[in-house]
Amino acid sequence: NAGVTQTPKFRVLKTGQSMTLLCAQDMNHEYMYWYRQDPGMGLRLIHYSVGEGTTAKGEVPDGYNVSRLKKQNFLLGLESAAPSQTSVYFCASSQDRVGFNNEQFFGPGTRLTVL
Amino acid sequence: GESVGLHLPTLSVQEGDNSIINCAYSNSASDYFIWYKQESGKGPQFIIDIRSNMDKRQGQRVTVLLNKTVKHLSLQIAATQPGDSAVYFCAERYNNNDMRFGAGTRLTVKP
Repeated sequence: NAGVTQTPKFRVLKTGQSMTLLCAQDMNHEYMYWYRQDPGMGLRLIHYSVGEGTTAKGEVPDGYNVSRLKKQNFLLGLESAAPSQTSVYFCASSQDRVGFNNEQFFGPGTRLTVL
Repeated sequence: GESVGLHLPTLSVQEGDNSIINCAYSNSASDYFIWYKQESGKGPQFIIDIRSNMDKRQGQRVTVLLNKTVKHLSLQIAATQPGDSAVYFCAERYNNNDMRFGAGTRLTVKP
């Protein structure tokens, strides 16, 4: 089992460019999440999904879009990148809502720099 | 303790000593708490969790203590090893499924 994988690992964009981050999990989890992690701050939820075909906004959704066309994949899109989106992005998955015996598994992260 | 500033709190301990990392959470209605370990360049890794109806929970070399009166969570690591060096942060669950994550504390273990 690979767990949660993310591609790419690193990316540099110019302001206004677009890109898609891919998250894949092989644990057949229903829930998937996208977070951003900024220096000195806790993880902040961007968007999440509670199952194939569903998406919902998190704490900081502006400037991002997501899609969950297949259960194992969760895509995060930036339509027009801004320097404020420079961050490390983490994908996570869980079988059910986070709780006892339902831990979140995190991917290794994507470091994105927007110039 | 936790900080939302640019610089994380740090804790430096000698190998073999016990470590105590603290976290102040914000919502008195939070019902579930998690401690994570994050090594440099890696994603967060679950360490141990605790429900709000518990005061203490033990795992292998780790213990989590919950004091709901003062909204405080602590992680104790016994016989700290160099491999324990990482950033540790807590998370709280509120509103049934919303999570809030602390910024973390950087633990350095000196050999």
